[in-house]
Amino acid sequence: EIVLTQSPATLSLSPGERATLSCGASQSVSSSYLAWYQQKPGLAPRLLIYDASSRATGIPDRFSGSGSGTDFTLTISRLEPEDFAVYYCQQYGSSSSLTFGGGTKVEIK
Amino acid sequence: QLQLQESGPGLVKPSETLSLTCTVSGGSISSSSYYWGWIRQPPGKGLEWIGSIYYSGSTYYNPSLKSRVTISVDTSKNQFSLKLSSVTAADTAVYYCARPKRGGYMDVWGKGTTVTVSS
Repeated sequence: EIVLTQSPATLSLSPGERATLSCGASQSVSSSYLAWYQQKPGLAPRLLIYDASSRATGIPDRFSGSGSGTDFTLTISRLEPEDFAVYYCQQYGSSSSLTFGGGTKVEIK
Repeated sequence: QLQLQESGPGLVKPSETLSLTCTVSGGSISSSSYYWGWIRQPPGKGLEWIGSIYYSGSTYYNPSLKSRVTISVDTSKNQFSLKLSSVTAADTAVYYCARPKRGGYMDVWGKGTTVTVSS
């Protein structure tokens, strides 16, 4: 099973600032099969990025994903008020074993 | 537009079986190449994949839950279901159904249903 470790656990930033979230894998994620989700309190997660760098339908271009192998990054170029939330990465290198990271909370400084 | 909706008891007694159903609307559950899955989130914690089922009926389960989980599909009702046996308080969580596109990333989610395990 691939273990995903997200850092930092909490990121305190102001609106307009750049956010950089990391996701590290315990072994290489095949074909960069990594996704990112945003979750707000009381709501289901929302898909942001799949295949490490492809934006999902309707996701603003201030969200971008990068990385390969064991190191992946989600970047929010300029934080909007609605972007303060918890973000999760998920690997799907094998459809028989999917795993999520522990999450990064982006909070208002 | 594809929509998913979870349903089932909100309270389950310890040692009993948790049973949830996900109703799919806006599309056919038996469309080829689609997977369907369950994810849960304990209070204040992160997401945990429970398992997935392919439209053909092949199932894939989280190794840590495999001995207690059964996922099935009812194409006549456009639904898929989760059964988790021998539940304990540690199984208390919000349970989501979702569509793992290409068997992997979840592009459509239900709103989630809270299940509490308590006597």
